[in-house]
Amino acid sequence: DGGITQSPKYLFRKEGQNVTLSCEQNLNHDAMYWYRQDPGQGLRLIYYSQIVNDFQKGDIAEGYSVSREKKESFPLTVTSAQKNPTAFYLCASRGGGENEQFFGPGTRLTVL
Amino acid sequence: GIQVEQSPPDLILQEGANSTLRCNFSDSVNNLQWFHQNPWGQLINLFYIPSGTKQNGRLSATTVATERYSLLYISSSQTTDSGVYFCAVEHGDSGYALNFGKGTSLLVTP
Repeated sequence: DGGITQSPKYLFRKEGQNVTLSCEQNLNHDAMYWYRQDPGQGLRLIYYSQIVNDFQKGDIAEGYSVSREKKESFPLTVTSAQKNPTAFYLCASRGGGENEQFFGPGTRLTVL
Repeated sequence: GIQVEQSPPDLILQEGANSTLRCNFSDSVNNLQWFHQNPWGQLINLFYIPSGTKQNGRLSATTVATERYSLLYISSSQTTDSGVYFCAVEHGDSGYALNFGKGTSLLVTP
């Protein structure tokens, strides 16, 4: 099946720890994105990548880092510098005939 | 950046009722998408509709790009329609990322 997978579904982190969220797509899309969703809010852009080995900061990049070594993969690291990391994280890719964005199922991160 | 406003913020319907959700945006856009977020958080694509009208079963959408708004119509609502509906626009900057509204939370009661 074609689609976007994210893992883990739930993640618990102690303060001061870095954690990495996985995002993989087999849609052959060039562009990939990370968004953050807080309760009762819409999604906000963290980072995006339009091509392998290139990525750009979004609106709320502070405290996060990414890599794009393969077309299929766009992992997000939440560092200890992120002041309020508890949130729902969604990965997306863009492509196809109409250049729609499609989303993965998300990772819920909780800082203990 | 571009502003996206959705109304109403909350909506409660009885099963079988019809509803209209509205999305206003502050600038011209390349793309507009409607999503349904289910209770597990998954965003489900409903429509890619930068302009014109589309229909898919009980759902239809219309975007009037020149007047900067889009409407999502839900007819004969069912309890499974409950969830949050998001409008998102692509402005052309930030690598064609989407700018989201805050959503309309819909509850359909039996």
